This record gives sequence, C-alpha cells and structure tokens, in this order.
Amino acid sequence: EDQVTQSPEALRLQEGESSSLNCSYTVSGLRGLFWYRQDPGKGPEFLFTLYSAGEEKEKERLKATLTKKESFLHITAPKPEDSATYLCAVQAGRYGGATNKLIFGTGTLLAVQP
Amino acid sequence: EAEVAQSPRYKITEKSQAVAFWCDPISGHATLYWYRQILGQGPELLVQFQDESVVDDSQLPKDRFSAERLKGVDSTLKIQPAELGDSAMYLCASSLVWREVRNEQFFGPGTRLTVL
Repeated sequence: EDQVTQSPEALRLQEGESSSLNCSYTVSGLRGLFWYRQDPGKGPEFLFTLYSAGEEKEKERLKATLTKKESFLHITAPKPEDSATYLCAVQAGRYGGATNKLIFGTGTLLAVQP
Repeated sequence: EAEVAQSPRYKITEKSQAVAFWCDPISGHATLYWYRQILGQGPELLVQFQDESVVDDSQLPKDRFSAERLKGVDSTLKIQPAELGDSAMYLCASSLVWREVRNEQFFGPGTRLTVL
C-alpha cells in the first residue's frame, strides 16, 4: 500500500536556526513528490515538485531534495513568517494512468519564534 | 494571479441536512479534484474529473456524496444527508493537464464544514 510518513510531527525553531523536515515514502512507482505549505484555515499552497532521485529545487529559504526512499525540506535561516504546516505528497503509478491522486502525509507543524 | 475559487468558505449544518459546495478552477485547467481534509490529517482525494468526466471516484461515499462538472468548468460537491463525521475541510484543486509528467495541483481556500 502506498504510504507517506512525515517527521517530526511538530518542530519549534528560533529565528535563524536552520533545520530539515523529513518525508519518507513507499509507493508502487513514483511519478512525483510534492511539497505544500498550509496556513491555518487555508488551502495548501504549492511549493515544489520533484520527479527523480537526486533532484533538488530551491525557493527563497527552502530547498527540497529527493532520494529513492525519502525527501527532505531544508529551511535555512527561517523567519517567523515561515511558520506553517508543511505537507508532503506523492503521486504513484505509471505515467498515463487513470488517476492523478496525491497521497499526503499528516504534515509537520513548524513554529519559528522571533 | 489565477486562483481556484470556492464557496462558501464556511458552512454549519445539522445532521441529516443537505449541503453543497462550489468550485471554479483556474481558467484553462482541464482536471479538477475534490479532497477532504480532517483536522490534523493530510487531504484525501474524493473525486477527480477530466473535463466533465469522472476519472476516479473510488474514495467517494456514493450513498451520500455526489459530484458533478456538467460543462467541464466549475463543479459542485453535494452531501445528502450530512453526518457528524463529515465535519472537515473540503478542498478543490485543479491542474492544467491530466496524463502528463508535470501536473502540479493548485488548491483553493477550502470550505470548512461543521455538522451539528
């Protein structure tokens, strides 16, 4: 069964204290791994898609990396406005398959204190 | 910037009543999704449309939930009758293409449903 596990469940950082969030997955054929940011009471905001092991993408203070078993979201010198829940999701199955379903983890709640 | 629109943002109803949610995807996006997110969990797919056709509704509780996208643009998700366990955030998302390598899904603000 396709599964996504995120850790830690919650993370508290001081402003400027860099860290990483983990997303481990087991899927029957990875089509893509997605990172989203979600603020309380709002819909997920798209951040990155990674398609193959070794791929890296960056956006401001965030950098996402992918291996064959897990992905990391590195946060460099975070600011209070980076506080949110970060969701990881995988899209499984063969290209051209019937569904684009995203399978989400439960998220990591990040709090950055000034 | 193009966004997915949803309404209402909040809905409070009593159990056994009917509720409906509306979604307007990003212009030009052929694929539309409805997800349900229970507090503290990640979203779970309920139904996926390609234009006006259902591609995947395997997780949709069809005894009480229905979804339609009659003209292949906006969509409505209905629950009848609502149950206490339906309290959740209902999210709509859209993507540009379907059977392509790159098909990022963009989410709307969601509808928070509370069933009393």
